[in-house]
Amino acid sequence: AQKITQTQPGMFVQEKEAVTLDCTYDTSDPSYGLFWYKQPSSGEMIFLIYQGSYDQQNATEGRYSLNFQKARKSANLVISASQLGDSAMYFCAMREANQAGTALIFGKGTTLSVSS
Amino acid sequence: NAGVMQNPRHLVRRRGQEARLRCSPMKGHSHVYWYRQLPEEGLKFMVYLQKENIIDESGMPKERFSAEFPKEGPSILRIQQVVRGDSAAYFCASSFSSATEAFFGQGTRLTVV
Repeated sequence: AQKITQTQPGMFVQEKEAVTLDCTYDTSDPSYGLFWYKQPSSGEMIFLIYQGSYDQQNATEGRYSLNFQKARKSANLVISASQLGDSAMYFCAMREANQAGTALIFGKGTTLSVSS
Repeated sequence: NAGVMQNPRHLVRRRGQEARLRCSPMKGHSHVYWYRQLPEEGLKFMVYLQKENIIDESGMPKERFSAEFPKEGPSILRIQQVVRGDSAAYFCASSFSSATEAFFGQGTRLTVV
């Protein structure tokens, strides 16, 4: 079974609009972390935002916010006021605390295209 | 404060040659992770190392791949006798601890011809 599922292969949005990128996860570990990364066409992986499973409030970082719904096991990324520079691939990832490696498990990603 | 440094950025190898990918973690980070990204795919975990120790290599292919993180110097991912299927982007990430966020390098794009 997929641990991280991103169901939207591609999303299109106009500048200044908000966009939500979906992510659902599967874990039986009560302690875990959820991450979003941005990968522009240049290829680097840029950390955007983190949500811990015990965090009471949704994480926010500038124009990025994470809509964390623990019961539904979803961790959607919301980008407000989209900019052309937001066009990139976006990956949701999870780290489970009970794994020795504590490595990140990535989804397949969503390509976001922002148009003017 | 330099980020995670990977070199080379691009590497071309003929089938059967060896590929060595280097990763210098961020200053103060002693946890290093290697990931592989195939075209149009997300990153897949390969190996997790701390200084001089391999903690988890459950994502490493059983043959031809090895990794090390010596006391001094960068972490090295070594691929022996490369094949076309090894062509991918290889990312290194480092973190201060296993509980903090990992920061990625820019990746090494390996092309096997």
